[in-house]
Amino acid sequence: DAKTTQPNSMESNEEEPVHLPCNHSTISGTDYIHWYRQLPSQGPEYVIHGLTSNVNNRMASLAIAEDRKSSTLILHRATLRDAAVYYCILKTSYDKVIFGPGTSLSVIP
Amino acid sequence: DTGVSQNPRHKITKRGQNVTFRCDPISEHNRLYWYRQTLGQGPEFLTYFQNEAQLEKSRLLSDRFSAERPKGSFSTLEIQRTEQGDSAMYLCASLPKARLNTEAFFGQGTRLTVV
Repeated sequence: DAKTTQPNSMESNEEEPVHLPCNHSTISGTDYIHWYRQLPSQGPEYVIHGLTSNVNNRMASLAIAEDRKSSTLILHRATLRDAAVYYCILKTSYDKVIFGPGTSLSVIP
Repeated sequence: DTGVSQNPRHKITKRGQNVTFRCDPISEHNRLYWYRQTLGQGPEFLTYFQNEAQLEKSRLLSDRFSAERPKGSFSTLEIQRTEQGDSAMYLCASLPKARLNTEAFFGQGTRLTVV
């Protein structure tokens, strides 16, 4: 399985933007970049995914480097509800989701 | 609420007892996955069903573990002769028929504590 590297933890102030980095230097041409997050005591939930172009949805934005070896999940205004573990995952179209340890995001009021 | 239901939410059992968990996926979803998550770790894949067929099993799924999905609807995960190391959150996820990069929908999990 292709691997990703994320910081173990990050902090953000409430109402400020958060940039969560992910390195995936061994990404293959068929790998999509997916992000999931897991709130405390909840199952993971899908956030966003992309292949080459930057993507936006109601939850977040995904910025993908031109060489696709890294990406950044952007939360435009962090709220206390965004405190969660964020997982960056590489998968081909029909693969199962394989999780790493993720980044634990703390949001400071 | 993702539409994936897991029961029970919590289970405390004595070592050596058998336990069974249930997952009800979103009704039109034909793919179903089980994961196990221990404290501070990401979820680990256990097994995968497409309709009623169990197509993939992780090496983590020892012979004490068995999963079924009769008629391709709900699924059960049974652990026989539980051990303290089985204490974890057990998560279920469902996806619709294979199409390009659809998202996985996870249940809230069943937290198992073996005492």
